[in-house]
Parts: sequence; C-alpha cells; structure tokens
Amino acid sequence: AQTVTQSQPEMSVQEAETVTLSCTYDTSESDYYLFWYKQPPSRQMILVIRQEAYKQQNATENRFSVNFQKAAKSFSLKISDSQLGDAAMYFCAYRRSRPPSKGETSGSRLTFGEGTQLTVNP
Amino acid sequence: KAGVTQTPRYLIKTRGQQVTLSCSPISGHRSVSWYQQTPGQGLQFLFEYFSETQRNKGNFPGRFSGRQFSNSRSEMNVSTLELGDSALYLCASTPGGGTGELFFGEGSRLTVL
Repeated sequence: AQTVTQSQPEMSVQEAETVTLSCTYDTSESDYYLFWYKQPPSRQMILVIRQEAYKQQNATENRFSVNFQKAAKSFSLKISDSQLGDAAMYFCAYRRSRPPSKGETSGSRLTFGEGTQLTVNP
Repeated sequence: KAGVTQTPRYLIKTRGQQVTLSCSPISGHRSVSWYQQTPGQGLQFLFEYFSETQRNKGNFPGRFSGRQFSNSRSEMNVSTLELGDSALYLCASTPGGGTGELFFGEGSRLTVL
C-alpha cells in the first residue's frame, strides 16, 4: 500500500521569507501523481500544485515550487516570499495512475500525509 | 461556476443514530469521492462514485455507505453512530477522467455525543 509521510507537524516562517515543507512517500508504482493541498481554517482543501511522476521537470505555480526526487521518493514544497494568507495546514497527497487490481479503476483516490501546520509571522 | 456544496455544514447526533450527508459536485463533474478527517487518523478515503457506480472503497466498516444519483449528487450515510465517527467529512468532485484535479467542498462537521 502506498504511504505518504510528512515529518514536520509544524513549521513557521517570517513574512516574505522562504520555507520548505517536506514529504516522502512509498510506492512500488512507476507512474503516479503527487499533490500539495492547502487547508486554511475555513476547512476547504485547495490544490496548490501537482506533479506527474513521469515528468522530470519540477512543477512551479507562481511562488510555489516543488523539488521532486523520484528515486528518493521525496516531494518537497517551497513557498517563496511567504504571505500571511499562506498560513494553513498543508497536505501532501499521492494518487496512482493505474488501477490497483483487476476490476478496479484508478479513479481519484488520494492518499494523504499527516499534514504540516504552517504559521506565517508578520 | 458554483463549487462543491456540502450539507449540512454542522450536525450533532447521539450514539446509535444514523446520519446522511449530502454533496453536490461542480456542474459537469461525474466523480464524487468522500474523505473522513480526524485529528488522530488524518484524512482517510471512504469511497468514490462515478456515474452512479461505486468504483473504489476505503477500509471502513459497512456502517458507512454511499450512493450517487443520476445528476451526480452524492450522499453518504453512517448508521449506528459511534463516538469515533465524530469527524469532518469532506466531499470532492472531479470530471472523472482520472487525471483531473479534485475540488473539495467545505465539509460537514459531525459530532457524535
């Protein structure tokens, strides 16, 4: 079974500084998707960035970028120029791209990490 | 375009009761999945429905069930509630092609007393 681990329960960063959130995962699959989701106090999960495993180039979305190390099964999120609105719980998530077994579909099932609570200090 | 809508947002039940939660996906989305979020267990996958058929199920007891209607709206039901069922239940929708982003609702907060 796939597992996702976020070893940093809490992180803090000064406004305008850069912070990196760590994520490791375990899978025997070669093709899959990785995501970072943000959950602010409003509780709604919002996609921050996603990475397809077959792509070697690291994904970037404005101030958010990832460092995807497939061999090491590592997927860290870097937030540059941190803003107060970045404060939230961040979840790393994995999704396989092929069906797990005959009769099933890969569907949209996500496996989440434990989350990292990010505080942004003014 | 309206987002994923979950109702009710908050509810309180007592042990032994049952509860039904509703999720209306984004218009045009055919896949709806459900997740349970608790402080102790984190986010856990419950099940996913696509075109009225359950196509994936997580490791939850049979007290947890769901269904999807022809308009893609989904309901999940929990029978014989236990204290441990207290959680935030999140619904997510996606067009269904298997590669799309999941769009989440704001969740239904269930408290079991």
